[in-house]
Amino acid sequence: DTEVTQTPKHLVMGMTNKKSLKCEQHMGHRAMYWYKQKAKKPPELMFVYSYEKLSINESVPSRFSPECPNSSLLNLHLHALQPEDSALYLCASVGQGATEAFFGQGTRLTVV
Amino acid sequence: GEDVEQSLFLSVREGDSSVINCTYTDSSSTYLYWYKQEPGAGLQLLTYIFSNMDMKQDQRLTVLLNKKDKHLSLRIADTQTGDSAIYFCVPFSGGYNKLIFGAGTRLAVHP
Repeated sequence: DTEVTQTPKHLVMGMTNKKSLKCEQHMGHRAMYWYKQKAKKPPELMFVYSYEKLSINESVPSRFSPECPNSSLLNLHLHALQPEDSALYLCASVGQGATEAFFGQGTRLTVV
Repeated sequence: GEDVEQSLFLSVREGDSSVINCTYTDSSSTYLYWYKQEPGAGLQLLTYIFSNMDMKQDQRLTVLLNKKDKHLSLRIADTQTGDSAIYFCVPFSGGYNKLIFGAGTRLAVHP
């Protein structure tokens, strides 16, 4: 299994809603990432988890809250988002020794 | 900080070879990946090269690495219309545990 699975694939939420994005991998990778990608732009790093601990937060607004409940699962909790937060949210995982670095298919988020 | 530069656009004729170039600044990069992204889709890992190698071949793909100049290239032989996509050169910075993205190169394949 060389997959990173993200759910949901699409999400539309209002500015007062609370929602969560989910990312799962079963490759034993211990580094997991959240990236945000706006249209026609490269992915931008948001968070890095290493061995289930947050190791990098790229000055992301607090309305985005990551969580790593176990080594296979990464969540991104969303609250009070703005329309400009609409984007493709990508999850990635990297294996030990970095020979494997896979991305999920992303969650396309629209904030209305 | 870390930086990755790629040319933004490349147009090739079907059946020709494509060469996408990349330069990076982080000398601690241990692995360098190439990803393909089609419209509306996620990132597909195409291939990678370890920093102590200078060449890697994988079917139609050839990766060349000049570590001294921090220059990486991806050659796609016999380019097909299905190869039309954005290609990202992504160094992995082991020191920072980051996958570093440049702007990407849009490859357009025409008949």
